[in-house]
Amino acid sequence: DAKTTQPPSMDCAEGRAANLPCNHSTISGNEYVYWYRQIHSQGPQYIIHGLKNNETNEMASLIITEDRKSSTLILPHATLRDTAVYYCIVRSPRYNFNKFYFGSGTKLNVKP
Amino acid sequence: GAVVSQHPSRVICKSGTSVKIECRSLDFQATTMFWYRQFPKQSLMLMATSNEGSKATYEQGVEKDKFLINHASLTLSTLTVTSAHPEDSSFYICSARDRQWSSYEQYFGPGTRLTVT
Repeated sequence: DAKTTQPPSMDCAEGRAANLPCNHSTISGNEYVYWYRQIHSQGPQYIIHGLKNNETNEMASLIITEDRKSSTLILPHATLRDTAVYYCIVRSPRYNFNKFYFGSGTKLNVKP
Repeated sequence: GAVVSQHPSRVICKSGTSVKIECRSLDFQATTMFWYRQFPKQSLMLMATSNEGSKATYEQGVEKDKFLINHASLTLSTLTVTSAHPEDSSFYICSARDRQWSSYEQYFGPGTRLTVT
């Protein structure tokens, strides 16, 4: 699985957009980008995933660069409840029995 | 959305005893479940992959005789920590993949906090 690099922490003002970057320069053609988040002392929560097109759902938007070497998760209007560790995971669903390997993630602090 | 439960949510046991943690997929069938461990202020570490009706596969460095995994049905996997020691104290999380959908998402349980005294 491709390795990902994320900043260890970020701050965001409540109500503003939170943009969380992820570098995955060694991503291969059949690997997807997944985003999960973990609120303190809870299990991870699925946010969104994509292959090469930008994706949007009720929680967030995922912007993947044309060369697919990096992506950005966008929370359009961050709230205090969005404070969590956000994990970017790159993997191919076809191989390795769908295992997920978590990196260190980005701790997002949403401040009032 | 798909729901995964874990039981118990918290458990305290004495050193040398064994403790069993259950992971259930409540509204879907899961041929594959995964077990993770998370120490304070660290990321999740994949321990093993649990396949219904077959032996679990363990990640490198994880003792399979210490962490016994059983996946007896399409909705239940159990992790038994045998002869627990204080260093086994951790947050144990399971996840499951819905066999029906091809999105390859994993749904995570709420976690079990194990404290070994």
